[in-house]
Amino acid sequence: QVTLKESGPTLVKPTQTLTLTCSFSGFSLSTSGVGVGWIRQPPGKALEWLALIYWDDDKRYSSSLKSRLSISKDTSKNQVVLTMTNMDPVDTATYYCAHSAAGYWGQGMLVTVSS
Amino acid sequence: DVVMTQSPLSLPVTLGQPASISCRSSQSLVHSDGNTYLNWFQQRPGQSPRRLIYMVSNRDSGVPDRFSGSGSGTDFTLKISRVEAEDVGVYYCMQGSLWPLTFGGGTKVEIK
Repeated sequence: QVTLKESGPTLVKPTQTLTLTCSFSGFSLSTSGVGVGWIRQPPGKALEWLALIYWDDDKRYSSSLKSRLSISKDTSKNQVVLTMTNMDPVDTATYYCAHSAAGYWGQGMLVTVSS
Repeated sequence: DVVMTQSPLSLPVTLGQPASISCRSSQSLVHSDGNTYLNWFQQRPGQSPRRLIYMVSNRDSGVPDRFSGSGSGTDFTLKISRVEAEDVGVYYCMQGSLWPLTFGGGTKVEIK
């Protein structure tokens, strides 16, 4: 059974750095072809891919957010970490992690950016 | 980036009637490996998105057969043969052929 779960702060201040962790089970990030990514959804708005990391450490980022994002993995812990710098209130959203083919999603977590 | 355009934005449907959602991409979604990575997702109120269809027309496990996907190149369609009350929500298409991966803006399905 594949599961993913996001963890991290639910409230961050403007200009701070957000660090989110995706803990998963039911698959391995050392398996060829597998990846884990992050997607966000501002309240009432559409979905947006942020970043994706593959089993071979290939990393892909959103064009518009590339300068602010970093994704990494810890295969032994079955975790993927996303950092986003210089947070702004417009970054308030539900952040999801997902298996690369997006067939499996975490429950998501709302991150609010406010002073 | 590949722009995914969905229509309509809102789709009021009578229970038991069919529904159809269109998704168009700004460029061909045929991958260099010959496959077309076009997915459809359902997001019920307050829930995470759930993938219904992958690679244009393949239903995910547990997805009712009233959902079907079709299309090619840049033009794709999700059809619900007979809408049920549990189908209410927002539907998104997503292309996985070219990075960055991109979603459509969503179509809200509601019951008349």
